[in-house]
Amino acid sequence: IQLTQSPSSLSASVGDRVTITCRASQGISSYLAWYQQKPGKAPELLIYGASNLQTGVPSRFSGSGSATEFTLTISSLQPEDFATYYCQQVNTYPRTFGQGTKVEIK
Amino acid sequence: QVQLQESGPGLVKPSETLSLSCTVSGASITDYYWTWIRQPPGEGLEYIGYISNSGSTNYNPSLKSRVTMSIDTSENKFSLKLTSVTAADTAVYYCARHYYNSRAYWISDYWGQGTLVTVSS
Repeated sequence: IQLTQSPSSLSASVGDRVTITCRASQGISSYLAWYQQKPGKAPELLIYGASNLQTGVPSRFSGSGSATEFTLTISSLQPEDFATYYCQQVNTYPRTFGQGTKVEIK
Repeated sequence: QVQLQESGPGLVKPSETLSLSCTVSGASITDYYWTWIRQPPGEGLEYIGYISNSGSTNYNPSLKSRVTMSIDTSENKFSLKLTSVTAADTAVYYCARHYYNSRAYWISDYWGQGTLVTVSS
């Protein structure tokens, strides 16, 4: 299953609302996760099951979608949110990831 | 708190075997599944495979012919071997817990810090 994220990168300011899209090449129900990765660090799980916030993740992060189209929204971008975000499907093996979306400071 | 730590050589010669271990603390390796994921420099994430607490495995078809995973319950660790490596296998290798949570979703919630393995003569 191929996952295509858009955009590949974006520039935004602190306080902005940011939306990242992940499209699957076939339906995956709600079996999608979102990760945040900062330079030199391991990815961190933000969202699982398309819309469930992982424990400890700030509520400004939210996820939605099902089947083939999903979104990750950051309601009010904070300085610590500048990072690369990946979606991952966990519907079938092999697990696959989107190519990533880099969120940069405007 | 669950912690994972990768270990192994940072430099491997072409055509040789890459061998990494992941030592787990804060959880018993017999209670969960475990996964390896890699990331070439400047690129995205690639699933390598998982190993279950009973030793069953699932490998990415793109690597299946070269990958072996194993678990060592006595040392609470699991391992990855990748044979016949080339420069394309140069990457940061991560180990992570592959967990079927209470909401019935597979998640990778705890990760090691990652270890860079460079394939070069």
